[in-house]
Amino acid sequence: ILNVEQSPQSLHVQEGDSTNFTCSFPSSNFYALHWYRWETAKSPEALFVMTLNGDEKKKGRISATLNTKEGYSYLYIKGSQPEDSATYLCAFPISSGSARQLTFGSGTQLTVLP
Amino acid sequence: DVKVTQSSRYLVKRTGEKVFLECVQDMDHENMFWYRQDPGLGLRLIYFSYDVKMKEKGDIPEGYSVSREKKERFSLILESASTNQTSMYLCASSRAIRAGNTIYFGEGSWLTVV
Repeated sequence: ILNVEQSPQSLHVQEGDSTNFTCSFPSSNFYALHWYRWETAKSPEALFVMTLNGDEKKKGRISATLNTKEGYSYLYIKGSQPEDSATYLCAFPISSGSARQLTFGSGTQLTVLP
Repeated sequence: DVKVTQSSRYLVKRTGEKVFLECVQDMDHENMFWYRQDPGLGLRLIYFSYDVKMKEKGDIPEGYSVSREKKERFSLILESASTNQTSMYLCASSRAIRAGNTIYFGEGSWLTVV
């Protein structure tokens, strides 16, 4: 089983604070790194797919960076809002038999307090 | 919009019963996945399918089987449900996992085995 690790496991911040969390993955045979947001009572939704070392992606107040050589990605949220409360998952494609599948980390649960 | 539909949102089954969880996607995706979500363990892959009648074991296939007779439909089968299979099950679909392709999730099925 491939290890994709996320930290911290959970995080509470005040509205307006900026925050960040980490996804670590094996640096060998890198293919891509996915970030998903999972809000309570909804389906997980894709935020970013990152493929190149040094990639930086941005979507509104959320951005992500990628370091494939050392095997980590950071997700940043600037000026957190209560609607940012969710579990943030990263995922790493691996070859499995005749296809690729995604292995997920255990997620970072973010709670933004008003 | 891509739609992944899980037929049952909440089920309660007895130990030893045979359980079918059905998933349908409407985007002609090659890949379909069944994940299980448990607190602190993240999303764990049970099985996935990359084509009709083709399947690959994920990280935790024991106690489960799958069926993909049509491209749009992927079924998860618990041959003899046990209490340790009480969990939330997520179906997902995608095009081939190449750089840039994300996966799309259903809303989840909550299964309680008593």
